[in-house]
Amino acid sequence: DIVMTQSPDSLAVSLGERAAINCKSSQSVLYSSNNKNHLAWYQQKPGQPPKLLIYWASTRESGVPDRFIGSGSGTDFTLTISSLQAEDVAVYYCQQYYSSLALTFGGGTKVEIK
Amino acid sequence: EVQLLESGGDLVQPGGSLRLSCAASGFTFSNYAMTWVRQAPGKGLEWVSVISYSGSRTYYADSVKGRFTISRDNSKNTLYLQMNSLRAEDTALYYCAKDKIEYRDSHNWFDPWGQGTLVTVSS
Repeated sequence: DIVMTQSPDSLAVSLGERAAINCKSSQSVLYSSNNKNHLAWYQQKPGQPPKLLIYWASTRESGVPDRFIGSGSGTDFTLTISSLQAEDVAVYYCQQYYSSLALTFGGGTKVEIK
Repeated sequence: EVQLLESGGDLVQPGGSLRLSCAASGFTFSNYAMTWVRQAPGKGLEWVSVISYSGSRTYYADSVKGRFTISRDNSKNTLYLQMNSLRAEDTALYYCAKDKIEYRDSHNWFDPWGQGTLVTVSS
């Protein structure tokens, strides 16, 4: 199975400042047939189910604010919140969909306000 | 509006069985792959199983392979998860979620998700 490792486990950022979450896969999730990275990001607020933010590593889901930016390729990816807002307090997960035999999530990164 | 409503969660003894259901509405259920993802109390997300839109392909996490069976009834717009030989480590909130793209057998990402149904395995 492809193992997804997120870092840090948690981070505290001041309002308006930048938050960066890393996700590393144990093998490349860049699919040669479409030249796309098979990686998604989800946001889970307390007491709520996860919500899709980004797919293809950098394509923002409709309605997601443009302060959420996905980047990276191959095995190393980053979700950046360019200017943290109070409503962004949540746990963020990456998910690879390169291998349908075993879809896997990262362990999650908790984002809080400093 | 897409709605997913899970049910069937309960307290069950180790070794017991349970069947979860996910009633879908607001979209053409038969056109989308569906998945089950679980979250143990205070822990992260763990993918459990996925079924293709037609039901012809199913995949499982190693942790549940041979014990859990995913299925769907497209005539009833319902997704199922039959859970046998339950263990304490299966205790979790179980979410169902819909694929974002129609007619995919694989390489799926999911949205939206239901609110989940709680399974507790304990004697």
